[in-house]
Amino acid sequence: RKEVEQDPGPFNVPEGATVAFNCTYSNSASQSFFWYRQDCRKEPKLLMSVYSSGNEDGRFTAQLNRASQYISLLIRDSKLSDSATYLCVVTLYSSASKIIFGSGTRLSIRP
Amino acid sequence: GAVVSQHPSRVICKSGTSVKIECRSLDFQATTMFWYRQFPKKSLMLMATSNEGSKATYEQGVEKDKFLINHASLTLSTLTVTSAHPEDSSFYICSAAQGGNEKLFFGSGTQLSVL
Repeated sequence: RKEVEQDPGPFNVPEGATVAFNCTYSNSASQSFFWYRQDCRKEPKLLMSVYSSGNEDGRFTAQLNRASQYISLLIRDSKLSDSATYLCVVTLYSSASKIIFGSGTRLSIRP
Repeated sequence: GAVVSQHPSRVICKSGTSVKIECRSLDFQATTMFWYRQFPKKSLMLMATSNEGSKATYEQGVEKDKFLINHASLTLSTLTVTSAHPEDSSFYICSAAQGGNEKLFFGSGTQLSVL
């Protein structure tokens, strides 16, 4: 089983729709969680951190469920510019920090 | 915000040559930098973790003698692809963690094409 798993998609949704992605992680000792966005042939950029209490940033809402070991990203009122690959990132601290990327979920917003 | 500079952005080279890629943290000290490789339409694959002043830690399947990593200062890590071959053609990206903050900041990537 992969340490971090994401549905690769692609998700193809109309502009204005609400779309949600999940990401599961296998190590219960994982401590920090992030969503990154990557456009084609560009570097990933931090979209938002994910906190246990859940957090919102404009149209984006991130949730963490430690009991079920998954994080989610909800995008409301999707825009054409939201088309990208969304990467789930989990950080594990033990003797050395370990940062694990999910394989990414591709999102395509159509007009 | 924190900035990581990566150079060059694009390299085209002949098979057998070596290519050096630089990754610099411009406004913070990065004790740890990471090197990734990404093939078209594939996810980022961590190649190695570079620690300032010590040997890099390579992921399974990554040849340390082929991908030489040097992290001689708190602001600079280099990846050298030695004797590059066409199968090494890929998008290479570095990232750095800012101090105790586990957020990663990425370089803009290097597209390597080996002819």
